[in-house]
Amino acid sequence: GAGVSQSPRYKVTKRGQDVTLRCDPISSHATLYWYQQALGQGPEFLTYFNYEAQPDKSGLPSDRFSAERPEGSISTLTIQRTEQRDSAMYRCASSLEVSGSEQYFGPGTRLTVT
Amino acid sequence: KNEVEQSPQNLTAQEGEFITINCSYSVGISALHWLQQHPGGGIVSLFMLSSGKKKHGRLIATINIQEKHSSLHITASHPRDSAVYICAVSLLDTGNQFYFGTGTSLTVIP
Repeated sequence: GAGVSQSPRYKVTKRGQDVTLRCDPISSHATLYWYQQALGQGPEFLTYFNYEAQPDKSGLPSDRFSAERPEGSISTLTIQRTEQRDSAMYRCASSLEVSGSEQYFGPGTRLTVT
Repeated sequence: KNEVEQSPQNLTAQEGEFITINCSYSVGISALHWLQQHPGGGIVSLFMLSSGKKKHGRLIATINIQEKHSSLHITASHPRDSAVYICAVSLLDTGNQFYFGTGTSLTVIP
């Protein structure tokens, strides 16, 4: 595709509900990253995929967070039993390969947990 | 954990001024990136550097690997340059994920 897309752009959910966020990377890109950005802060790494493999999920804040990329293209980030502290912008980025490449960022999903 | 430090946090300039934003990092990196976050929230990559200097229009980015320091300069600043500028590094042997500074919020006044 022309760029990285994410959906939904905005999500409001009640505490305790599960949410799933979607990222559609640039089609030729092997590597996909998920970041969490709290208001007024820089993004923080959550996890990344190299094709369908997930070599590093060290940034996921708890076991309520999980991510998938089953066919090495589209990825989803799922947050179970959401809490108010999960409210943030969730950003996806993709790059051509796993090292030495620029990352291209999606527009983000603004998640608000009430 | 503060692998990346930026200064200043906030910057207000008059149109036409020369602007410098600084970034220091404390670990070995494979590359340093300057990103621009627009008021609407989108993030755009401006530069990727592993050595020396790059220029794009009115933007110049430099890096000193020995001193673990980079600067982003904007010449002849314009109100449309108003944005948050973020320094990020990709570390050696960590799969290229970025570690971000907290950003510098720039406002250019006409």
